[in-house]
Amino acid sequence: DAKTTQPNSMESNEEEPVHLPCNHSTISGTDYIHWYRQLPSQGPEYVIHGLTSNVNNRMASLAIAEDRKSSTLILHRATLRDAAVYYCILRPANAGNMLTFGGGTRLMVKP
Amino acid sequence: SQTIHQWPATLVQPVGSPLSLECTVEGTSNPNLYWYRQAAGRGLQLLFYSVGIGQISSEVPQNLSASRPQDRQFILSSKKLLLSDSGFYLCAWSLRTRAFFGQGTRLTVV
Repeated sequence: DAKTTQPNSMESNEEEPVHLPCNHSTISGTDYIHWYRQLPSQGPEYVIHGLTSNVNNRMASLAIAEDRKSSTLILHRATLRDAAVYYCILRPANAGNMLTFGGGTRLMVKP
Repeated sequence: SQTIHQWPATLVQPVGSPLSLECTVEGTSNPNLYWYRQAAGRGLQLLFYSVGIGQISSEVPQNLSASRPQDRQFILSSKKLLLSDSGFYLCAWSLRTRAFFGQGTRLTVV
């Protein structure tokens, strides 16, 4: 399975943008890039996903490198409620929708 | 809309006792269902997944088992719990692109 690499932790100030990086140099052509986040003592929740083009939704933006070997999750204005572990996951198109989680990035937001 | 129910929220069980965690999904048909476990301070580990009634795939060998007696019901069981079975157990379902997780069961084996 293709693997992802994320920093263990990051800090941000409240109301500032946050860029969470993810490296996936062994990504295959049919792998979708998914982002989930897990708030303390809760199950993960879907944030965003994409294949090749950049994506925007109400929660975040996903910027995908042209060679698809890296991506960046962008939170435009961090709030204290965004403090969570963010997981970057590659999901093969034919994997039965299995999600294999790595270590993720723990985002800390300072007031 | 679709919802996922997982219970109980917390559970304390003695070593050697049996376990049964239940998960049900509403508002969808023939979902893919998953059981994950998260040990304290660790990432999520996929334990079992199911693409249909009676179809279970195990990702990690252990003393746990899973069953899917109905389309939208997924059960995680153990005949004899170990201390190492303690953790946060999460049920999830998916159809096409994204997965939806339950609120989890925090299991402490004492």
